[in-house]
Amino acid sequence: DSGVTQTPKHLITATGQRVTLRCSPRSGDLSVYWYQQSLDQGLQFLIQYYNGEERAKGNILERFSAQQFPDLHSELNLSSLELGDSALYFCASSAQDRGTYNEQFFGPGTRLTVL
Amino acid sequence: GQNIDQPTEMTATEGAIVQINCTYQTSGFNGLFWYQQHAGEAPTFLSYNVLDGLEEKGRFSSFLSRSKGYSYLLLKELQMKDSASYLCAVKKTNDYKLSFGAGTTVTVRA
Repeated sequence: DSGVTQTPKHLITATGQRVTLRCSPRSGDLSVYWYQQSLDQGLQFLIQYYNGEERAKGNILERFSAQQFPDLHSELNLSSLELGDSALYFCASSAQDRGTYNEQFFGPGTRLTVL
Repeated sequence: GQNIDQPTEMTATEGAIVQINCTYQTSGFNGLFWYQQHAGEAPTFLSYNVLDGLEEKGRFSSFLSRSKGYSYLLLKELQMKDSASYLCAVKKTNDYKLSFGAGTTVTVRA
């Protein structure tokens, strides 16, 4: 158990819909990262927040957005869903913003299926 | 961005040794991570290298050569539970994210 929690574990929805994925980082971690992992593909970085502020953006679609709240939990919002958005979405957290060693701890993931 | 290459698949026998290579091209290199990921599960941290040389941790060792842009993960005394995907990830200086390779699926056969 990494200490990072994600809900829900599974989500099945239809095209065109909107969903929200939730992540709670490890106690004390200020950074939260979101990744997408499609079938047979590697982890694709989406976005990172540090202490409530957006810090880095990767290959995140305009239909996707995220935020980090004062209690440090984060939500990833996916809208106008398409079949290709079906994937595992992982949240990770780390203690430090910068630094030589910044191990990321991953949550169990949310499996999104768009029908 | 970074180009991170690792073999797609490897197969080995229980009790044997397997070496998973990872090559990368990046500016401002600031560390290389190896993660293990079982199918449908979260990646879990295995090792971290930022200086050249070998880091040993039980049955797993990781090596880094910064001048060659090369790392390998060595798995010794393979067990069936080692069947998983192994992800190489690179961190850059003043960058916040990890850039992951596509992963190497290792299958351990009896």
